[in-house]
Amino acid sequence: EVQLVESGGGLVQPGRSLRLSCTASGFTFGDYPMSWVRQAPGKGLEWVGFIRSKALGGAIEHAASVEDRFTISRDDSKSIAYLQMNSLKPEDTGVYYCTRETPHLGASDCWGQGTLVTVTS
Amino acid sequence: EIVLTQSPATLSLSPGERATLSCRASHSVDSRYLAWYQQKPGQAPGLLIHGASTRATGIPARFSGSGSGTDFTLTISSLEPEDFAVYYCQQRINRGTFGQGTKVEIK
Repeated sequence: EVQLVESGGGLVQPGRSLRLSCTASGFTFGDYPMSWVRQAPGKGLEWVGFIRSKALGGAIEHAASVEDRFTISRDDSKSIAYLQMNSLKPEDTGVYYCTRETPHLGASDCWGQGTLVTVTS
Repeated sequence: EIVLTQSPATLSLSPGERATLSCRASHSVDSRYLAWYQQKPGQAPGLLIHGASTRATGIPARFSGSGSGTDFTLTISSLEPEDFAVYYCQQRINRGTFGQGTKVEIK
């Protein structure tokens, strides 16, 4: 069974850092691009960024709204994707989802259950 | 950045009725990179349609997608009780953006 499990969320003060992890199982992790999507409380979905598999060049893209503070990475040997979030702001509060993307098309065909990040003083 | 505008914001329909959801892009989107998702309360979203018109694995035939360029449509031919949810379109040709969502609610 394909499964994605996010971890690392929690309560954090503005200006601090947090690293989210997404542990994958049930598929060949290195064959797939991975992305992060977030959702503020009661709001819609916001694409955060993605990382292509090493086999397809390992390209990384981030949304313009976070590209100076967030960094996506991956460890194919451990089947884990990461989202490093620095200089956190209250508006970064929300549920962060890890997704598996279909190669070459970008559609997210598998989603984790999400991890809640709350940025507050 | 490509902006996706979904309409209407809310659609009030009864079970058995047809639902037509619109997604309009600020710039032309290669249809290969247009997807639709369904999200129910308290759950993660799930993929419905990719490539503008290809149903994802296990998605019932009552869901269909169409469109090209800047105008895309998700149609649910006959609403089942489990279809009342929020629907999002997404483009992945230029970074990635989602529409703001359409809530399909029971009338």
